[in-house]
Amino acid sequence: KAGVTQTPRYLIKTRGQQVTLSCSPISGHRSVSWYQQTPGQGLQFLFEYFSETQRNKGNFPGRFSGRQFSNSRSEMNVSTLELGDSALYLCASRLGQGSSYEQYFGPGTRLTVT
Amino acid sequence: TQLLEQSPQFLSIQEGENLTVYCNSSSVFSSLQWYRQEPGEGPVLLVTVVTGGEVKKLKRLTFQFGDARKDSSLHITAAQPGDTGLYLCAGRYGNKLVFGAGTILRVKS
Repeated sequence: KAGVTQTPRYLIKTRGQQVTLSCSPISGHRSVSWYQQTPGQGLQFLFEYFSETQRNKGNFPGRFSGRQFSNSRSEMNVSTLELGDSALYLCASRLGQGSSYEQYFGPGTRLTVT
Repeated sequence: TQLLEQSPQFLSIQEGENLTVYCNSSSVFSSLQWYRQEPGEGPVLLVTVVTGGEVKKLKRLTFQFGDARKDSSLHITAAQPGDTGLYLCAGRYGNKLVFGAGTILRVKS
């Protein structure tokens, strides 16, 4: 079974631009979560989608948004990029059932804002 | 303040040594997971512990969940250079998964 895939793997953007990142979950997984990882803050939860609905949201400004499609694929968008948005953005999928909340991560998208 | 505190933050040891990484909280978790992450890659799930006092073994790695389900430990026996990476614990807290800051392990040959 194929793992979680994320595209693109690397991205360089200029401050003020916007960016869209894509995530394809493991086949059969209906929940997709997004995280931002930086050396200073570690792994920070952005949001979770299940069956095309946002179920949870972290403490990030409204510039960060996401959506999920009927095939469970998900995208996240960051508008008006700031230098501090430079990070590794990770997508994780899980079945969406059960209590263990085991998540399977993709390789991430490394975003650099200049 | 992190909900999950990991210690130590950084560990550098020689090949063949044993080590223990700790994950502590004042909150109770319904389950706790350990991940390992290598540079430039996403975290890889190693194990999930659910029952207080539970011990799970994965080759040279031993994971333990505290009796009160507030803490966990990861013990590595005879560490190898391939064990190098960032070790993260994560606990289900309500309907979210929260992560510790991680322990960076470097095993020198």
